[in-house]
Amino acid sequence: EVKLQQSGDELVRPGASVKMSCKASGYTFTDYAMHWVKQSPGQGLEWIGTIIPLIDTTSYNQKFKGKATLTADKSSNTAYMELSRLTSEDSAVYYCARSSGLNPYVMDAWGQGASVTVSS
Amino acid sequence: DIQMTQSPASLSASLGETVTIECRASEDIYNGLAWYQQKPGKSPQLLIYNANSLHTGVPSRFSGSGSGTQYSLKINSLQSEDVASYFCQQYYNYPFTFGSGTKLEIK
Repeated sequence: EVKLQQSGDELVRPGASVKMSCKASGYTFTDYAMHWVKQSPGQGLEWIGTIIPLIDTTSYNQKFKGKATLTADKSSNTAYMELSRLTSEDSAVYYCARSSGLNPYVMDAWGQGASVTVSS
Repeated sequence: DIQMTQSPASLSASLGETVTIECRASEDIYNGLAWYQQKPGKSPQLLIYNANSLHTGVPSRFSGSGSGTQYSLKINSLQSEDVASYFCQQYYNYPFTFGSGTKLEIK
């Protein structure tokens, strides 16, 4: 069974950074890309970017360049996303989602989500 | 960026009915479209990709159609477990973009 286990919810101060994780199991981690998606009440779903763990290649939504940094650790089958210089606009639920084997731009398995609340 | 306009924003239907959700792209996306279902408090789940291909394990009462800029998701014989929000996503061009969602309720 494919499973993406995300790290817990975070409460962080404005201006700080946060790094969240997404541990994959049930499939070969390097065979699939990993997407990250933001869900907020005001903006709906937004694609942040994608990392291909096999070759450590990333693609970002221009909107999130400089805000999000995607990395992956092949030895632990874990993908990471770091968000920097946090503001209230970054308060949202963040998902990791595996690319589909039939179409790499489609997301066929999702983590449970991690809530980030930015507040002083 | 390609804008995805989804309608209606909310929908109420009776059990056994057929419902249709629409998604319009701001330019031709050449069938590069997926549909996701998000049940309350849960993560999104893939239903349809390439506009009309049913993802593994998804009930056949779900179907997708369309071309060019106009796409739709149809749910036949509505079941109680279909209560959810539904989102379209285009992946024809970067950045991938989503529709604003349709919240489906049972009358």
